[in-house]
Amino acid sequence: EAQVTQNPRYLITVTGKKLTVTCSQNMNHEYMSWYRQDPGLGLRQIYYSMNVEVTDKGDVPEGYKVSRKEKRNFPLILESPSPNQTSLYFCASSLFFGTGGSPLHFGNGTRLTVT
Amino acid sequence: AQTVTQSQPEMSVQEAETVTLSCTYDTSESDYYLFWYKQPPSRQMILVIRQEAYKQQNATENRFSVNFQKAAKSFSLKISDSQLGDAAMYFCALTGTASKLTFGTGTRLQVTL
Repeated sequence: EAQVTQNPRYLITVTGKKLTVTCSQNMNHEYMSWYRQDPGLGLRQIYYSMNVEVTDKGDVPEGYKVSRKEKRNFPLILESPSPNQTSLYFCASSLFFGTGGSPLHFGNGTRLTVT
Repeated sequence: AQTVTQSQPEMSVQEAETVTLSCTYDTSESDYYLFWYKQPPSRQMILVIRQEAYKQQNATENRFSVNFQKAAKSFSLKISDSQLGDAAMYFCALTGTASKLTFGTGTRLQVTL
């Protein structure tokens, strides 16, 4: 089944403890992206990647890192999480460069709480 | 910069009735795409409908259709014969040649009996 798989679905952590949210897609998509969703703000892009070893900042990149060593994987790393990073996170992928007319396929989301 | 505005935080519709969700946008690009995504309580993001800006014909997908007014930069979603399963948060989104999909803040739709 074609899908974007995120793990974990729920994560509670403490301030400053490094964490990684994994994302993997099995559709051979070129483009991958991370979003965070906050009430009243919609979804905002954190980072995106147009291909292996190519990543770039979105609208809210501060406090996050990503890597794209393989086409299928695009992990999100929080080196030193803070409470303002408590949010719902989505990984998404798309077939073509940019999103153009190729719609995004989303993972099921990761609910992160930082205390 | 591109922006998407959804001015209705919440809407309510009775089952079997029709409801329209509003969305306005701004972009400097001439080639762009517009989307409506649905997010049910399961929090999945599900693509509802897509519209290419160069197409004048409004997109339709079964009970879902859009009213795309390019000059007014308006992209509303009409849901006909509403069903309980339509209850969700709906997001309008815009993408152009940049590698970014910009979302609105969402409209929560309630469906009542």
